[in-house]
Amino acid sequence: ETGVTQTPRHLVMGMTNKKSLKCEQHLGHNAMYWYKQSAKKPLELMFVYSLEERVENNSVPSRFSPECPNSSHLFLHLHTLQPEDSALYLCASSQDRGQLYGYTFGSGTRLTVV
Amino acid sequence: DAKTTQPTSMDCAEGRAANLPCNHSTISGNEYVYWYRQIHSQGPQYIIHGLKNNETNEMASLIITEDRKSSTLILPHATLRDTAVYYCIAYYNQGGKLIFGQGTELSVKP
Repeated sequence: ETGVTQTPRHLVMGMTNKKSLKCEQHLGHNAMYWYKQSAKKPLELMFVYSLEERVENNSVPSRFSPECPNSSHLFLHLHTLQPEDSALYLCASSQDRGQLYGYTFGSGTRLTVV
Repeated sequence: DAKTTQPTSMDCAEGRAANLPCNHSTISGNEYVYWYRQIHSQGPQYIIHGLKNNETNEMASLIITEDRKSSTLILPHATLRDTAVYYCIAYYNQGGKLIFGQGTELSVKP
């Protein structure tokens, strides 16, 4: 257990469904991140939140909608996804957005879009 | 953030030292070298980082060349559980983004 908890661990959804991924950390970190990892590809940074404010959106399609209601929780709302969105979605947190000792990652949600 | 280059894959015998090289010839003076690893289908795990001096912790050692253009991660006694993808990242701490490359797939064999 890393201190960053992601639920669910696995998710299968149809292209017309709406679902949400949840990330929770109680490390006292102020920055949280969503990454996407498709098969055989490097991790891609999707969103960055610092002190509950979105500070970065790396050209992510609008069918992915992040939400950060407080410093401990981060959500990724999904709707009308495509099969190519199937991937491992990873949440991470760090003390601050530019901090010294690196990020703490969750174990990820394995998403399959059918 | 500077680009890093790593071999795609490496093998290592169990119990032997695993030496994973990384080239970062364009690294700037304020960028740290970070190493993470990712065991299959899990989130990446922080291993070690350094700026100029060699570093050691309970997991590994990091050797950085004097010109800082390359570094080597050393796992002194590799075990089967060290089989993972290892990422070398040049990271600027002040508002930087942790950007992952392809990494090195290390296979530790019995």
